Amino acid sequence: DAGVTQSPTHLIKTRGQHVTLRCSPISGHKSVSWYQQVLGQGPQFIFQYYEKEERGRGNFPDRFSARQFPNYSSELNVNALLLGDSALYLCASSFLSPHEQFFGPGTRLTVL
Amino acid sequence: AQTVTQSQPEMSVQEAETVTLSCTYDTSESNYYLFWYKQPPSRQMILVIRQEAYKQQNATENRFSVNFQKAAKSFSLKISDSQLGDTAMYFCAFGPGNADGLTFGKGTHLIIQP
Repeated sequence: DAGVTQSPTHLIKTRGQHVTLRCSPISGHKSVSWYQQVLGQGPQFIFQYYEKEERGRGNFPDRFSARQFPNYSSELNVNALLLGDSALYLCASSFLSPHEQFFGPGTRLTVL
Repeated sequence: AQTVTQSQPEMSVQEAETVTLSCTYDTSESNYYLFWYKQPPSRQMILVIRQEAYKQQNATENRFSVNFQKAAKSFSLKISDSQLGDTAMYFCAFGPGNADGLTFGKGTHLIIQP
């Protein structure tokens, strides 16, 4: 079975632009969570979606938004990019909520 | 809000030795889960071991075991017979009992020397 997949692998944007990151969960998993991992730090929770509804939100500004589609894939959108948004963005899926989460390889976002 | 503290930024041991990574947490919740994740240089986060707070028995997965002290809010990871492939960042994480959003510590960089 395929694991959690994320696209793109790497992304370079400039300040003020918008970005969309995508995540496909493990087949059968209904919960998707997004995390931001700044270099040298542990991941920070951004959003959780379960059965297409938002179940949790971390301490991130409204420039960050997400959604989950009927096939349980998910998008993370970030508007008005700042230099500080440069990070590895991780997606994780789980079968139930709460349950152990399986992480994807991440998307490395660089904001110039 | 929950906090997770890993007080050892880096540890280095010889291959085949046993090593213990420390983690403490703070929460007012009674129902929660604790996890140890491994992140090798390839960056894919891998679940090492999981502990439910309501279980008194410490979790074990092959060479990996935990020492869960609920009253002390301590959750350490012991790696026995360490191998070169264990070299990685190790993150302790807290999971609430009603949602998936994990709170991670800052991590411990574990280096296994040949």
